[in-house]
Amino acid sequence: GAVVSQHPSWVICKSGTSVKIECRSLDFQATTMFWYRQFPKQSLMLMATSNEGSKATYEQGVEKDKFLINHASLTLSTLTVTSAHPEDSSFYICSASQGAGLGGYTFGSGTRLTVV
Amino acid sequence: GENVEQHPSTLSVQEGDSAVIKCTYSDSASNYFPWYKQELGKRPQLIIDIRSNVGEKKDQRIAVTLNKTAKHFSLHITETQPEDSAVYFCAANTDKLIFGTGTRLQVFP
Repeated sequence: GAVVSQHPSWVICKSGTSVKIECRSLDFQATTMFWYRQFPKQSLMLMATSNEGSKATYEQGVEKDKFLINHASLTLSTLTVTSAHPEDSSFYICSASQGAGLGGYTFGSGTRLTVV
Repeated sequence: GENVEQHPSTLSVQEGDSAVIKCTYSDSASNYFPWYKQELGKRPQLIIDIRSNVGEKKDQRIAVTLNKTAKHFSLHITETQPEDSAVYFCAANTDKLIFGTGTRLQVFP
């Protein structure tokens, strides 16, 4: 079946630094990738949608200059949390679709980010 | 945009009883409705899904029903077992997947 590899699985960084999270689709081409954030005991909140070769579409309230998304190829999307602060500490998870609207999503294993 | 509401937020049942979780969605264009089980710190795991052209789907102890007119769908788990204890999320899809608020299910032996 479809597999999405997400790295790192956890990261601790200092306030003010940037952290990059990668998601790779291993056995299929992901035309669309989605990035979610999940705070403890809460739901998965969609942050942005990225399509290969174009700019990401951010959900309302998500700062595009803080959460940089790059989807340069059909198998790789990255999320960079810039100038991280403790309130950015969360579980970040990506999801890949072979075509938006068709259903059938494959999730990465998630990244636990802790900003100290 | 799409808004998905989910109830109840917590649900406790005795082993062997049934559990029902309900969701409503707002966007009539939504066409795909998956249900996920998530354990702490792990990725959501798809347990069953239904598309908008189907009213009901069953897979062993798990079933999902969809009422497009009312814009709601439900998850039914029969003969619950302690290992069913987890957080369950519904979701609705148009061109992106929007999750419900989640239900923490506890099954007591």
